[in-house]
Amino acid sequence: DAKTTQPNSMESNEEEPVHLPCNHSTISGTDYIHWYRQLPSQGPEYVIHGLTSNVNNRMASLAIAEDRKSSTLILHRATLRDAAVYYCILRDPGRNFNKFYFGSGTKLNVKP
Amino acid sequence: DGGITQSPKYLFRKEGQNVTLSCEQNLNHDAMYWYRQDPGQGLRLIYYSQIVNDFQKGDIAEGYSVSREKKESFPLTVTSAQKNPTAFYLCASILTGTGRGTEAFFGQGTRLTVV
Repeated sequence: DAKTTQPNSMESNEEEPVHLPCNHSTISGTDYIHWYRQLPSQGPEYVIHGLTSNVNNRMASLAIAEDRKSSTLILHRATLRDAAVYYCILRDPGRNFNKFYFGSGTKLNVKP
Repeated sequence: DGGITQSPKYLFRKEGQNVTLSCEQNLNHDAMYWYRQDPGQGLRLIYYSQIVNDFQKGDIAEGYSVSREKKESFPLTVTSAQKNPTAFYLCASILTGTGRGTEAFFGQGTRLTVV
């Protein structure tokens, strides 16, 4: 399974945009890029996913590089509630017994 | 409401005892997963199951066992053979084979402490 690389931590000011990078140089053509976030002492929650085109939803935007070897999760206006660990994951939904690997993620600290 | 439920939220176990963590989902998802998380670390895969009566070992399966007798349920047993079982355990489920890359749902976790 293809793996991802993320910075260990990032810091942002409240109400400013945040760009969380993810490298996935070994991505295959059928891998979707998923982002999840985990608040302290909770299970991860889904944020967004995409295949090739940029994606927007009410939580965030996902910008995918043209060669798909990297992507960026964009939080348009960070709030204190966005302080969490953000995981970038690759998943091929058509592959049997896909292991759905999580790495260490990026810990986002939001300053008031 | 559909969702995935883990119980109990907190669990204490004496050394040498087996303990079973419950994970139930009513989302009609095929695949279910168990992860372990240690403080300040990411999630590590213990076991996963694609269909009923079948499951596969993840990266850290030693000292753990699972069963998948029903689609809705995927209990994890932490056996006495697990050398360092104190951790936060997370269960997840996902719909497979749709070709759309659907989202995974996670339970709220069980914090196991060996005393």
